[in-house]
Parts: sequence; structure tokens; C-alpha cells
Amino acid sequence: AQSVTQPDIHITVSEGASLELRCNYSYGATPYLFWYVQSPGQGLQLLLKYFSGDTLVQGIKGFEAEFKRSQSSFNLRKPSVHWSDAAEYFCAVADGGATNKLIFGTGTLLAVQP
Amino acid sequence: AAGVIQSPRHLIKEKRETATLKCYPIPRHDTVYWYQQGPGQDPQFLISFYEKMQSDKGSIPDRFSAQQFSDYHSELNMSSLELGDSALYFCASSLASAASSYEQYFGPGTRLTVT
Repeated sequence: AQSVTQPDIHITVSEGASLELRCNYSYGATPYLFWYVQSPGQGLQLLLKYFSGDTLVQGIKGFEAEFKRSQSSFNLRKPSVHWSDAAEYFCAVADGGATNKLIFGTGTLLAVQP
Repeated sequence: AAGVIQSPRHLIKEKRETATLKCYPIPRHDTVYWYQQGPGQDPQFLISFYEKMQSDKGSIPDRFSAQQFSDYHSELNMSSLELGDSALYFCASSLASAASSYEQYFGPGTRLTVT
């Protein structure tokens, strides 16, 4: 069965520092991968997605992610973090079955220090 | 652009009561998904509908039922509510025929509190 692992439950970075959030997936075929961000008590906002093609994908708010098939990874990066980036980040993979339901990782909570 | 609408945004119920959550997908979207996110948890898939037919089912309790109507809106009915049903319930929609059919657009969620 498909699964997503986010090894880091909680990460703290200083404002202006670079960020990398890890995501590993388990999927037999070419995965459809997503990163979502959720502010406290809010909904899920899509940051970026990978379906095929260029393995480096650009998203909103200055985020990017790189798909590495050899490592089964889809890590999220940002060169300079802003205080407003503090939120929970979820990596997800589409199930690929009849309905493409999303399977989420357990999330990484990002704190930003001034 | 129109987004997914969920109502109500907040709902407080007592144990053993019933609740109905509504979801209005993006216009022309034909697929609706329901997810449940418990406190501090990741969203878990409950059920989905395509063209008004149930297309997939996840870890949805038997006390819950859902349907999609002719106008494509969906309702999640929850009966005999338990404290553990307190969660944020998300609805998402997509267009099955689109090249990006895997992309789901999420609503703001309904926060259900069972007391």
C-alpha cells in the first residue's frame, strides 16, 4: 500500500535561514506528489505538486520541491524562511487507484525564530 | 475563482446527537472527497463520490453515511456522535476528466466538537 513518511515531527529555523522538509513515499509506479500547508485551525493550501516531467517543481510562496525517484523522496525547500511560514506542512501522495484519494504524511510543524 | 464551500464552519453537538456536514464543490467538478483530521493528526480519507456514485471508502464508521446529489454537492451524515468524532472535516473536489484530475481542491473545513 502507498504510504508517506515525514521523518521530522517538529523543526525550528531562524527567520532568513534556509529550510528543507523531508518526505519519503512508498509507491509502485510514478507517484503523484503534493505538499500542503496548514495554518492553525485553517484549511489545507496546496503549495506545489509533481505529476511528471521536470523533477524540480516550483510552488507558491517561494517554495520548491525536488522529486528523486532513486531516493523515493520529495523534499520541500525554501531558501529564506519568513515568520509567516510558521505552520504545519503535509506531504501527500495520490493513491492512484480508482479515486486518487490522498494519503498524507503525519506532518511537520515548522516554528520560525525571530 | 470559486472555491469549495463547506457549511457549517463550526458545529457543536452533544454525544449521541446527529450532525450533517455539507460540501459544495467547485463548479463543474464531479468528484468529491471527505477527510477527517483529528487533533494533531494528519487528514484521513473517509469516502469519495464520482458522478453521484460512491467511488471509494476509507476508514469511515458505520454511523456515518454520505451522498452526492444531482447538483454535485455532498452531505456527510453522522449519527450517534461520540467524543472521538471531534475533528476537522474537510471536503475536497476535483474534475475527473481533467489532465490534473489528481489535484484536489480543499474547502476550509468544518470543525465539529462533540461534548
